[in-house]
Amino acid sequence: GAGVSQSPSNKVTEKGKDVELRCDPISGHTALYWYRQSLGQGLEFLIYFQGNSAPDKSGLPSDRFSAERTGGSVSTLTIQRTQQEDSAVYLCASSLAGRGHTYEQYFGPGTRLTVT
Amino acid sequence: GESVGLHLPTLSVQEGDNSIINCAYSNSASDYFIWYKQESGKGPQFIIDIRSNMDKRQGQRVTVLLNKTVKHLSLQIAATQPGDSAVYFCAENRAGNQFYFGTGTSLTVIP
Repeated sequence: GAGVSQSPSNKVTEKGKDVELRCDPISGHTALYWYRQSLGQGLEFLIYFQGNSAPDKSGLPSDRFSAERTGGSVSTLTIQRTQQEDSAVYLCASSLAGRGHTYEQYFGPGTRLTVT
Repeated sequence: GESVGLHLPTLSVQEGDNSIINCAYSNSASDYFIWYKQESGKGPQFIIDIRSNMDKRQGQRVTVLLNKTVKHLSLQIAATQPGDSAVYFCAENRAGNQFYFGTGTSLTVIP
């Protein structure tokens, strides 16, 4: 079946511009995560959505970052007034969440964001 | 070959040898751990997981060992193959559904 998809695969933007990154999770997965991965680094948690609950935004690095998940499915990560330090690969993952369920997260291929 | 913690980010092994990748975690309350493999240009891929009520779990050619006393996790890959070359991450579940990932270890298999 289809896995997690993300678009665009690559995005180059000028400093100060806003960008939107999209994630299509696996159908039926109630949990959705966004991570950021800088070159040669591990994954940095950004935000977590679970069903209709309020998202866990504790990982967002600044108020320039926001995310929404419409209809419990597709999610969009928005970065306003991009800075060069925002350059990274942004990864989305989905899972069947909740205690008693597998926590296995299925990752998308990521969006490589380059801010010039 | 063996890597120690996340401070030695690279590991090279000969094809056919066993690999051991180590991970130290910080939160004694973490109760679930996952190892991921990430190949170049791709998202991480689940390898194996373990809950804190276990100290060992085996998969196909992989074994995860958990030592809660010293907060240490290891991934053993038997008969390492060129296709195993990748970056390996451990992730710990501290609370709810948040996961914290280590920096990763880059494994290179020498044919």
